[in-house]
Amino acid sequence: KAGVTQTPRYLIKTRGQQVTLSCSPISGHRSVSWYQQTPGQGLQFLFEYFSETQRNKGNFPGRFSGRQFSNSRSEMNVSTLELGDSALYLCASSLTGQGDYEQYFGPGTRLTVT
Amino acid sequence: GENVEQHPSTLSVQEGDSAVIKCTYSDSASNYFPWYKQELGKRPQLIIDIRSNVGEKKDQRIAVTLNKTAKHFSLHITETQPEDSAVYFCAASEDSGGGADGLTFGKGTHLIIQP
Repeated sequence: KAGVTQTPRYLIKTRGQQVTLSCSPISGHRSVSWYQQTPGQGLQFLFEYFSETQRNKGNFPGRFSGRQFSNSRSEMNVSTLELGDSALYLCASSLTGQGDYEQYFGPGTRLTVT
Repeated sequence: GENVEQHPSTLSVQEGDSAVIKCTYSDSASNYFPWYKQELGKRPQLIIDIRSNVGEKKDQRIAVTLNKTAKHFSLHITETQPEDSAVYFCAASEDSGGGADGLTFGKGTHLIIQP
């Protein structure tokens, strides 16, 4: 099976702009979670989607949003970018996220905000 | 919310020796504890996990132990090899029946294997 894929792999944006990141889960996986990784804060949970619904959410401002499509692919959007949003954004997929706990990560999107 | 503490932040061991990384968690409702290995520039890779109904799990040179009473869990790597050099993250989450909560990660341990 192909692993989790993310596009784009690298992105440079300017403060105030918005950005959309994409994640395709492992075939058959229906749960997609998003994480932000920075040197200072480490890995932090953003949100999780299952069957096109946001099921769990971390402590991030409303500028961070996401959605999931019927084929389980997910997108994450960040509006009004700030310098502090520069990070590696990782998505992870699991079968259902309910009893099937194992989460498998994609390669990440490296976002740089200037 | 859940808080996961991980120690040490850096661990240097001689090739062939054992390495132990320890984590504590705060939420007694957490019931799933995975460990990830992240090499430089690569994605986190799940290497082993344990659920709250199990006290110990082993996979070749890697083992994880869980003490629910004390709320701590540990990763043990025996006969370390150069390819074990990486950053290791512990994590915890709770499946409350409505799907697993997001993983709460420790800050990571940089494991260095000295030749």
